[in-house]
Amino acid sequence: GESVGLHLPTLSVQEGDNSIINCAYSNSASDYFIWYKQESGKGPQFIIDIRSNMDKRQGQRVTVLLNKTVKHLSLQIAATQPGDSAVYFCAENIETSGSRLTFGEGTQLTVNP
Amino acid sequence: NAGVMQNPRHLVRRRGQEARLRCSPMKGHSHVYWYRQLPEEGLKFMVYLQKENIIDESGMPKERFSAEFPKEGPSILRIQQVVRGDSAAYFCASSPPQSYATNEKLFFGSGTQLSVL
Repeated sequence: GESVGLHLPTLSVQEGDNSIINCAYSNSASDYFIWYKQESGKGPQFIIDIRSNMDKRQGQRVTVLLNKTVKHLSLQIAATQPGDSAVYFCAENIETSGSRLTFGEGTQLTVNP
Repeated sequence: NAGVMQNPRHLVRRRGQEARLRCSPMKGHSHVYWYRQLPEEGLKFMVYLQKENIIDESGMPKERFSAEFPKEGPSILRIQQVVRGDSAAYFCASSPPQSYATNEKLFFGSGTQLSVL
């Protein structure tokens, strides 16, 4: 399953499928990007990050892709599990400005068993 | 090693009262950030503090809101004369001393849900 830009805030997938969550960031000067997972009633939890000198970075079951030309970021989750159900936020930062993050609006991922 | 601790988890205030939200950063962290989250929205930056210093308060409303991070004790976000529009989840995050050579990840607390009646 795949979310389409910021105007589709929900994504529903079957357990075991791959998920793709998209994010359009706003500031062309941003040089550091993070994906966070937020479960209900909890604070954001770091998933993976990427700097602007890279276009792809892989973690455990997750991959982040960065396209600076169109200011687009995506998070791919392989073999999605029910425990992945949460709201996912992208955040952007300009490293020389400190750790102030600008968050996107989020995508609600629901994994159906 | 405890994470970022926020209290209370839930705070109910009537219009016109004061709200005080507390945040204890992770051990060894000297930088604190406050973010506000409205329902169905992303987090919005409010203020960035180091011990006894406000570094960046560009996201703070000009009136009624203040923040401090004293030499001893937790960081406090204070909202005076609360209004219904202040109802939101307020998250605190902390990071270790900064190095611009690496961007330290922020560690978030579980938030304080403020409800204004």
